[in-house]
Amino acid sequence: DTGVSQNPRHKITKRGQNVTFRCDPISEHNRLYWYRQTLGQGPEFLTYFQNEAQLEKSRLLSDRFSAERPKGSFSTLEIQRTEQGDSAMYLCALLSTGQSAEKLFFGSGTQLSVL
Amino acid sequence: SQQGEEDPQALSIQEGENATMNCSYKTSINNLQWYRQNSGRGLVHLILIRSNEREKHSGRLRVTLDTSKKSSSLLITASRAADTASYFCATDPSGTYKYIFGTGTRLKVLA
Repeated sequence: DTGVSQNPRHKITKRGQNVTFRCDPISEHNRLYWYRQTLGQGPEFLTYFQNEAQLEKSRLLSDRFSAERPKGSFSTLEIQRTEQGDSAMYLCALLSTGQSAEKLFFGSGTQLSVL
Repeated sequence: SQQGEEDPQALSIQEGENATMNCSYKTSINNLQWYRQNSGRGLVHLILIRSNEREKHSGRLRVTLDTSKKSSSLLITASRAADTASYFCATDPSGTYKYIFGTGTRLKVLA
């Protein structure tokens, strides 16, 4: 248990539909990240939040993508008008900055398949 | 874009052998981290090495960092079948908190 819950685990949708993923941290963490990972590749940075503020967005995050963290706890990632190229694993991670220094705790991800 | 690249892309060894994988990155960093990912799961943090450190150990893991060459290596000693996974390095370019991952090394340990 990494302390990060992602829902749903799997999502199958038709091209053109909108999808929303949710990330629920079990405990409080200031920084929350979204990554996208395709088969055989490393995670690609999409965006991150410090509390409710979205601090940086990758250029990979087109205007079809929007992320929110309204109360600085859970976060949602919405993809509008999905395309087949959006098929990937979407990972949420929390940054721990304790004594052991910075480390990311990842959820199990949401696997998106766009048909 | 990927900040780092791991080498080799894939590695297959016998149980008990050592596994070495390398990571190269592009910009100055505060620290470099290694993560492990089992198939279809999220990533798990293994070890962190700071930019002012040259070597670090944790159990069967040994990490080195050469900031002049912008490279790091991860050594897993006495490998086990359970070590079969993908391994990624991650860097934090210039302390931005924007953690960028490499392309990964897929390790297979044969029993």
